[in-house]
Amino acid sequence: DIQVTQSPSSLSASVGDSVTISCRASQRIGVFLNWYQQKPGQAPKLLIYAASTLRSGVPSRFSGSGSETDFTLTISSLQPEDFATYFCQQGFSSFGGGTKVEIK
Amino acid sequence: EVHLLESGGGLVQSGGSLRLSCAASGFTFNNYAMSWVRQVPGKGLEWVSTISANGVATYYADSVKGRFTVSRDNSKNTLSLQMTTLRADDTAVYYCAKYSMTAVTNGFDYWGQGTLVTVSS
Repeated sequence: DIQVTQSPSSLSASVGDSVTISCRASQRIGVFLNWYQQKPGQAPKLLIYAASTLRSGVPSRFSGSGSETDFTLTISSLQPEDFATYFCQQGFSSFGGGTKVEIK
Repeated sequence: EVHLLESGGGLVQSGGSLRLSCAASGFTFNNYAMSWVRQVPGKGLEWVSTISANGVATYYADSVKGRFTVSRDNSKNTLSLQMTTLRADDTAVYYCAKYSMTAVTNGFDYWGQGTLVTVSS
């Protein structure tokens, strides 16, 4: 089975900062990597699919990159509503462990 | 508007069974693969199972294989998860999720609100 390892598990940042979250797959997966945002008490929301395609309606400050085994999610200018937990997902199944983005 | 509504969660004893349902609306249900994803409150997401649009193909996480069965009734726009031999580590919020229109590898574009399953030991 393909495992995905996400890092860091948490980070602290300020409004306006740029943050980067990484996801590493245990095998080559092409661009089959998706990113989600989850806020407390809510279901996850899809942000980016196929490694770098922004879902319609998602702000352009979110971007994704990478292929095969190494992927990144970047939030270019952190907004108050972006403080949440982010998960990556490989293919159609397994998820990374999550990254909690907290206010510094 | 797409809407997914899970039901059937609750408290069950270890070794027991439970059947979850997900009522889907707002899209052509029989065109999309569907999935169950679970989450221990405050923890990460765990993919549980996937079923193809026509119900022929099913996939399971190793942690539930042989104990859980996913099914769907396309005439009733309903997804189900039959859970047997439940264990304490099956305790979680169970989400029903719809795959993106383009490909199952493009993630879940809609999720239900989740239903809590608690397995007591």
